[in-house]
Amino acid sequence: AQTVTQSQPEMSVQEAETVTLSCTYDTSENNYYLFWYKQPPSRQMILVIRQEAYKQQNATENRFSVNFQKAAKSFSLKISDSQLGDTAMYFCAFIPFNTDKLIFGTGTRLQVFP
Amino acid sequence: DAGVIQSPRHEVTEMGQEVTLRCKPISGHDYLFWYRQTMMRGLELLIYFNNNVPIDDSGMPEDRFSAKMPNASFSTLKIQPSEPRDSAVYFCASSLLGARTEAFFGQGTRLTVV
Repeated sequence: AQTVTQSQPEMSVQEAETVTLSCTYDTSENNYYLFWYKQPPSRQMILVIRQEAYKQQNATENRFSVNFQKAAKSFSLKISDSQLGDTAMYFCAFIPFNTDKLIFGTGTRLQVFP
Repeated sequence: DAGVIQSPRHEVTEMGQEVTLRCKPISGHDYLFWYRQTMMRGLELLIYFNNNVPIDDSGMPEDRFSAKMPNASFSTLKIQPSEPRDSAVYFCASSLLGARTEAFFGQGTRLTVV
């Protein structure tokens, strides 16, 4: 079975600091996609960043970057210069190349303090 | 575009009643997904459509659940009869080229069955 594990239920960080959220996944597939989605208190899920497994270069989106370690099946999210608006639940998600079924982790609740 | 629109935002109903959740996807998106979010099970894919055709409904928990997409701009998720264990937040999402690309989520419907 394909699974996504987020081992940190809660994290906190001070504004302007850097925080890293962990994610590991289990699959026998070689081609797949990985995502980080953010769910703020408004409840609406928003895509933060996307990584294609066949690309060795780590994806970046402004203050958000990933550390993708394919052999270790690890996909961590680094948030630099944290802002109060980053306070949210963050979900790691995985999808095999030939399907449209996203598999989500259990989420990490991030609190950014002033 | 106004994004994915779900209605109602909140629904409280009595056990045994029929509940209908509604979704309007982003115009031009060929894929529509229904998810359920609970504390116990996290985010689960219930069913998804491609070009109004149901592709995979293996996540639909029971025959009490049904989903339709009569046209490209409207979908419904119906629960009949509803049970307290159906209480959850139900999300609709749409995407242009499937879940491997960015999925745009609605704000969800919080369903409470008493």
